[in-house]
Amino acid sequence: QLMQSGAEVKKPGASVKVSCKASGYSFTSEGIHWVRQAPGQGLEWMGWLSTYNGNTNYAQKFQGRVTMTSDASTTTAFLELTSLTSDDTAVYYCARDQYKWNSYVYFDYWGQGTLVTVSS
Amino acid sequence: DIQLTQSPSFLSASVGDRVSITCRASQDINNYLAWYQQKSGKAPKLLIYAASTLQFGVPSRFSGSGSGTEFTLTISSLQPEDFATYYCLQGNRNPPYTFGQGTKLEIK
Repeated sequence: QLMQSGAEVKKPGASVKVSCKASGYSFTSEGIHWVRQAPGQGLEWMGWLSTYNGNTNYAQKFQGRVTMTSDASTTTAFLELTSLTSDDTAVYYCARDQYKWNSYVYFDYWGQGTLVTVSS
Repeated sequence: DIQLTQSPSFLSASVGDRVSITCRASQDINNYLAWYQQKSGKAPKLLIYAASTLQFGVPSRFSGSGSGTEFTLTISSLQPEDFATYYCLQGNRNPPYTFGQGTKLEIK
């Protein structure tokens, strides 16, 4: 199970940090992806975090503005996004990574989502 | 980056109908495709991975097929709870991972 933090309202230019607490499996055995969904729009992959060693891979669109981290002691992953604009208004999801055959990635379990609203 | 194109974008059908949704990849992705169902206000739910493997607990009326660049999700007999938006996701080796634009399945 992945349980995310509550909704946030931020002003343009601010930062937001969303948390995703994992339970029911070995936290450091599976990575975490972050995906966002703007209102009425589709799903957009933001990046991946290894909960084992902290390695990350971010979508080019978010490079320089996003940081994904985790704390194994609390089995929690974090997404921080800076320099927010109204275009960042979206529901942000964490999702558990599944990696098969040394080459195939998909996401099996998802958090419930966290709505981030950016408004002046 | 690999692009995924879903068709149709909207689909209107009745309970009991058999429906299919197609996802085309811009390059060969082997069988590295998953299908998700998303209901309004909820997180996506994994239905099928590796193009045709049913996720545990998903009803057998859902099936997936295809490999390479063309994939299909089929629902053999629509149930009221199946009306939702469906997305495909390609997970070919290295990021970025991309989703199709979605297919909204509505009640006729």
